[in-house]
Amino acid sequence: DAGVIQSPRHEVTEMGQEVTLRCKPISGHNSLFWYRQTMMRGLELLIYFNNNVPIDDSGMPEDRFSAKMPNASFSTLKIQPSEPRDSAVYFCASTFSGSETQYFGPGTRLLVL
Amino acid sequence: AQSVTQLGSHVSVSEGALVLLRCNYSSSVPPYLFWYVQYPNQGLQLLLKYTTGATLVKGINGFEAEFKKSETSFHLTKPSAHMSDAAEYFCAVSEGNEKLTFGTGTRLTIIP
Repeated sequence: DAGVIQSPRHEVTEMGQEVTLRCKPISGHNSLFWYRQTMMRGLELLIYFNNNVPIDDSGMPEDRFSAKMPNASFSTLKIQPSEPRDSAVYFCASTFSGSETQYFGPGTRLLVL
Repeated sequence: AQSVTQLGSHVSVSEGALVLLRCNYSSSVPPYLFWYVQYPNQGLQLLLKYTTGATLVKGINGFEAEFKKSETSFHLTKPSAHMSDAAEYFCAVSEGNEKLTFGTGTRLTIIP
């Protein structure tokens, strides 16, 4: 069975450009999480959805970041405009209600020049 | 608010030696506790978890951890290190609401 799928796996862009990261959760899972991992700040929860509804977005750094989940099988994290300090690995994870275990995707490594 | 402290950002052990990675937590309610492992250029994978019941929890790859409420600890151990154990290990806590708070991670190096 396929795990969490993220695309692209690597993204290099220039400051000021729009970046869109994509995530497909495991089929049947109804909670989805976006994390950011950096050397300085470690692994931070940005936002999470339950049944496609954003539940907690307190970790979203600023208005340049937005996330959507239009249906149960797809989510996007958008950065507009991007800045060099956004360079990080972004992970998507999913789980189903009643389970404590989150399943992580392979991550998207973002470099903003 | 929940938090996790991992003592030692880098730990090195010889192959065959005991692995001990330390984790202390803070939580306002009985916690759920987790250890995840991250291999280079990969996502995180669950090693083991404690929710309720037996305080000694066994996970994959020979790892285990013991929940000690009095010490607010959840240290990860493995009796005999293998080269394939080299990775980064993250302790995490949840207050049962699906939201995980991770520690800063411990990079484990195995010396041949």
